[in-house]
Amino acid sequence: KQEVTQIPAALSVPEGENLVLNCSFTDSAIYNLQWFRQDPGKGLTSLLLIQSSQREQTSGRLNASLDKSSGRSTLYIAASQPGDSATYLCAVSGYSSASKIIFGSGTRLSIRP
Amino acid sequence: GAGVSQTPSNKVTEKGKYVELRCDPISGHTALYWYRQSLGQGPEFLIYFQGTGAADDSGLPNDRFFAVRPEGSVSTLKIQRTERGDSAVYLCASSLTSGESDTQYFGPGTRLTVL
Repeated sequence: KQEVTQIPAALSVPEGENLVLNCSFTDSAIYNLQWFRQDPGKGLTSLLLIQSSQREQTSGRLNASLDKSSGRSTLYIAASQPGDSATYLCAVSGYSSASKIIFGSGTRLSIRP
Repeated sequence: GAGVSQTPSNKVTEKGKYVELRCDPISGHTALYWYRQSLGQGPEFLIYFQGTGAADDSGLPNDRFFAVRPEGSVSTLKIQRTERGDSAVYLCASSLTSGESDTQYFGPGTRLTVL
C-alpha cells in the first residue's frame, strides 16, 4: 500500500529565504507526482506535476525534483514571500489506478515578513 | 469560466442523521472525484466517476457512504446514519478526462460536523 510522508509538518522562515520541502513515498511504481498548495478554507491548487519519466519541473520560483528509485521528491521555493504561506501537499498516483491520488499530510509553511 | 463548486460550504448535523453533499464540476469535465480531509491530514480518496459510472469506489469507508452522478455532471455524496468520525472536509475535484496527466481542479470543500 502506497504511503506518502512529508517532512517537516510545519516550517516558519523569514521572507526572502530559499527553502526545501521534502516528500517520500514507499512504492516507487508511480505514474506521476504532484505538488499542491492549499490555503485555509480553500480547495487545492496544483503547482507542479512530474511524470515518472521526468526528473524535475519548474514554474517561476518553484522547482520540484523527483528521484523515483529512492522514493523522494523535493519542492524548492526560491526567494520566499509572505504570500507563499500555505500548506503544501505532495501526492502520487500509481499505475494500477492513475486517477487515484494518494496524498501526504502536508507541510504548513509560514513566511515571516 | 466557473470553477468546481460545492454546497453547502458548512453542514452541521446530529449523529445518526442522513446528509447529502453536492458537487458541481467544471462544465465539460467528464471525470469527477470525491476526497475526505481530516484535520491535519492530506485528502483521502473516496470515489471517482468517469461520466455517470463510478470507475473506482475503493476509497468509500463503508456502506453508509454512497455517491451518484446520474447525468454525468453534478454529483451527490450521500452519508447515512452519520457518525462523529465522519466529521471532515469533503472535497470534490473534476478533470477534463480521467487521463493520468489531466489536472484535477478542486472545489473549496464542504465542512461536515457531526455532533
